[in-house]
Amino acid sequence: SQQGEEDPQALSIQEGENATMNCSYKTSINNLQWYRQNSGRGLVHLILIRSNEREKHSGRLRVTLDTSKKSSSLLITASRAADTASYFCATNTGNQFYFGTGTSLTVIP
Amino acid sequence: EAQVTQNPRYLITVTGKKLTVTCSQNMNHEYMSWYRQDPGLGLRQIYYSMNVEVTDKGDVPEGYKVSRKEKRNFPLILESPSPNQTSLYFCASSFLGYYGYTFGSGTRLTVV
Repeated sequence: SQQGEEDPQALSIQEGENATMNCSYKTSINNLQWYRQNSGRGLVHLILIRSNEREKHSGRLRVTLDTSKKSSSLLITASRAADTASYFCATNTGNQFYFGTGTSLTVIP
Repeated sequence: EAQVTQNPRYLITVTGKKLTVTCSQNMNHEYMSWYRQDPGLGLRQIYYSMNVEVTDKGDVPEGYKVSRKEKRNFPLILESPSPNQTSLYFCASSFLGYYGYTFGSGTRLTVV
């Protein structure tokens, strides 16, 4: 399988702290995306980083990509209780997308 | 409002009874895809379509069929459902397949 893997599987932090989650993948990619899923609902697209980019920001989100290590990280700064969700990375290879198994983030008020 | 609409949201059926889950998008996206989500396994791609009349298998296509007769619709067909197809299903679409997906709200299917 070319599925990515997120690390850690679960993360619990206090409100206001930063949350970092990592994604590793196996093959060369066109781009890598991060999604958020609230309990059983549809996934929401957060940010996309292309294979020729190393870092990207969107609001409180910062994504890095290291294609030599086949890894990416998602940093959420100044976390809020509303950030509690599962976060997935997805790699785009050719015409297919491969999702990881997700990181479950709990932000404690 | 730009969206992907899946129906039904919940479905309980019996083994072997053919069913169709509908998916429609109003964003004129070329790329559409079906996923199933199972605990511990993440989302796995079942089928995808690059455009009308163009479909291809994803990672777990066995037991499923799709069709893309119109750009906006991409139904998922289970000809003879089995209990191992009990899962949460998502339809998603994107522009050309190289941009972020818009996901539907999901269909929770139980096959007994």
